[in-house]
Amino acid sequence: AQSVAQPEDQVNVAEGNPLTVKCTYSVSGNPYLFWYVQYPNRGLQFLLKYITGDNLVKGSYGFEAEFNKSQTSFHLKKPSALVSDSALYFCAVKLNTGFQKLVFGTGTRLLVSP
Amino acid sequence: GAGVSQSPSNKVTEKGKDVELRCDPISGHTALYWYRQSLGQGLEFLIYFQGNSAPDKSGLPSDRFSAERTGGSVSTLTIQRTQQEDSAVYLCASSLGPGTSAHEQYFGPGTRLTVT
Repeated sequence: AQSVAQPEDQVNVAEGNPLTVKCTYSVSGNPYLFWYVQYPNRGLQFLLKYITGDNLVKGSYGFEAEFNKSQTSFHLKKPSALVSDSALYFCAVKLNTGFQKLVFGTGTRLLVSP
Repeated sequence: GAGVSQSPSNKVTEKGKDVELRCDPISGHTALYWYRQSLGQGLEFLIYFQGNSAPDKSGLPSDRFSAERTGGSVSTLTIQRTQQEDSAVYLCASSLGPGTSAHEQYFGPGTRLTVT
């Protein structure tokens, strides 16, 4: 079965500092990995994905993520955080075959202080 | 272009009543998904439609839940005899579907269901 772990309920960072939101996954096959962001009372917004190829993927709003197969991780990063990045972040995985559903982590709340 | 739209945005209903939630996917997207987001359960998959294929209903929590997709576009999620534990935000998503290089799903704003 597929699963995703986001070990931190909340991450606090000062504006201008680099941020990392952690994600590890477990699948019995090749994964497709995604990050989504959710602002208050809004749906999920797609940020970036890893399908194949380069392990470092770049996405919207200056975010990037690194796929590490040996550590089964897909951490979300940004070199310089903005107050407006404060939101709830979800990591998700699905297999490259078979089931099309996304399996989500429990979410990490990012709080960027001025 | 237009994204995924859902209606209503909020629904308050009494326990035991039936409710219908509607989703309009992005034009051209053949795949449509329903998820539920609740405090206790996080984000959980409910049902998946792909074109004219039989839907994947493996995530529906009980037989009180059903969904249909008419004409390969609009979808309706129906909850019969609502219970308080059905209170959640119901999210709809669409994507280009399997066999394409775009695997990401695009989500609507959700319907917040409150069962009193």
